[in-house]
Amino acid sequence: DAKTTQPPSMDCAEGRAANLPCNHSTISGNEYVYWYRQIHSQGPQYIIHGLKNNETNEMASLIITEDRKSSTLILPHATLRDTAVYYCIVRVAGEGSNDYKLSFGAGTTVTVRA
Amino acid sequence: EPEVTQTPSHQVTQMGQEVILRCVPISNHLYFYWYRQILGQKVEFLVSFYNNEISEKSEIFDDQFSVERPDGSNFTLKIRSTKLEDSAMYFCASSVLGITNEKLFFGSGTQLSVL
Repeated sequence: DAKTTQPPSMDCAEGRAANLPCNHSTISGNEYVYWYRQIHSQGPQYIIHGLKNNETNEMASLIITEDRKSSTLILPHATLRDTAVYYCIVRVAGEGSNDYKLSFGAGTTVTVRA
Repeated sequence: EPEVTQTPSHQVTQMGQEVILRCVPISNHLYFYWYRQILGQKVEFLVSFYNNEISEKSEIFDDQFSVERPDGSNFTLKIRSTKLEDSAMYFCASSVLGITNEKLFFGSGTQLSVL
């Protein structure tokens, strides 16, 4: 698996955008970048994923650099309920690969403050 | 949105006892997974399951662990002789096809306490 590096923690003000960085400098060309989050020991929750292009959905935006060595998850208007551990995961892929699992790191603990 | 359901939410057992953790994956999903998270640690992959057999397993998933899909809806994790270090939150997950550009849906977990 390509390794990812995330800051261990960050704070964000309620109502402001939260920008969560992730480095994945050894990513391969056919590997996707996934973001999940885990709210207080609940099951991980899918947020968004992408390959090359920037992606947006109802939860967040994902910005992937042109060289794909890093990405940023953007929560456009953070709320108190967005307080969670956010995981950036690069998913192993490839022709003939049957490795479908997600491998979680330590993630970034995001605290949204009122 | 459809959900992965896990029961029980909490399970307390004595060391050496067998436990079965139960999961009902989303109905049209074909790939199933178990993960665990020891308190304060990372979410760890245990096993993936497809077409009634194990696709992949981690080093944690030793002979004390087994998985089964006994009917068309349930997916179970059995620990034959529990140890203190098996105390953790166990998460079940499922996905439609198991391809690399789709998402996994996780259940809310079973907290296992081994005394």
